[in-house]
Amino acid sequence: QSALTQPASVSGSPGQSITISCTGTSRDVGGYNYVSWYQQHPGKAPKLMIFDVSNRPSGVSHRFSGSKSGNTASLTISGLQAEDEADYYCSSKTSSNTYVFGSGTKVTVL
Amino acid sequence: EVQLVESGGGLVQSGGSLRLSCAVSGFALRTYWMTWVRQAPGKGLEWVANIKQDGNEKYYVDSVKGRFTISRDNARNSLYLQMNSLRAEDTAVYYCAREDVTTGDFDYWGQGTLVTVSS
Repeated sequence: QSALTQPASVSGSPGQSITISCTGTSRDVGGYNYVSWYQQHPGKAPKLMIFDVSNRPSGVSHRFSGSKSGNTASLTISGLQAEDEADYYCSSKTSSNTYVFGSGTKVTVL
Repeated sequence: EVQLVESGGGLVQSGGSLRLSCAVSGFALRTYWMTWVRQAPGKGLEWVANIKQDGNEKYYVDSVKGRFTISRDNARNSLYLQMNSLRAEDTAVYYCAREDVTTGDFDYWGQGTLVTVSS
């Protein structure tokens, strides 16, 4: 079970929008809408930001949005803020009834 | 308030064993799948194992099959991970998480417990 592919780092200035990609295969990302995204600040537990490709849990800012096309899912952060600086991970259920996470993306707010 | 609290981590020699526990509160454990996720120092998240509500279905990542066993005691509101034949590469922070199987995500997480395997 290889990790889903994410860019190692993405950066943007405050107020800008950034997009993080998450590429898998037809056995995970492309085969299910069970794609979720997590935010992790240093030393903290991950926090669910997006589930079911594009749904936001209660309490998560509307500045976070998700989408999917084929085997690639994406997380977009609009109106980038200093507090968004963190690591982000995608996750997908697989055809083996297991889960796989992405390799992780460090977001830097310039 | 939903809470998950892991315990049982520590330093163990290569080849040794350790049992992690996750005490949950604020929800009915018997109604949820549960998952363990780990994170090696400075590395990304890795899904490890999950278990169905009644404990009759379990899945593992290939790297721990035959060495780790996930279990649960719904009456004690607890989830467990028995780790045997530990290797240096098992060194990580281990998180327990509540799994929403209808949406395929992990909506609540514990704070993690560190397992260090010395070689």
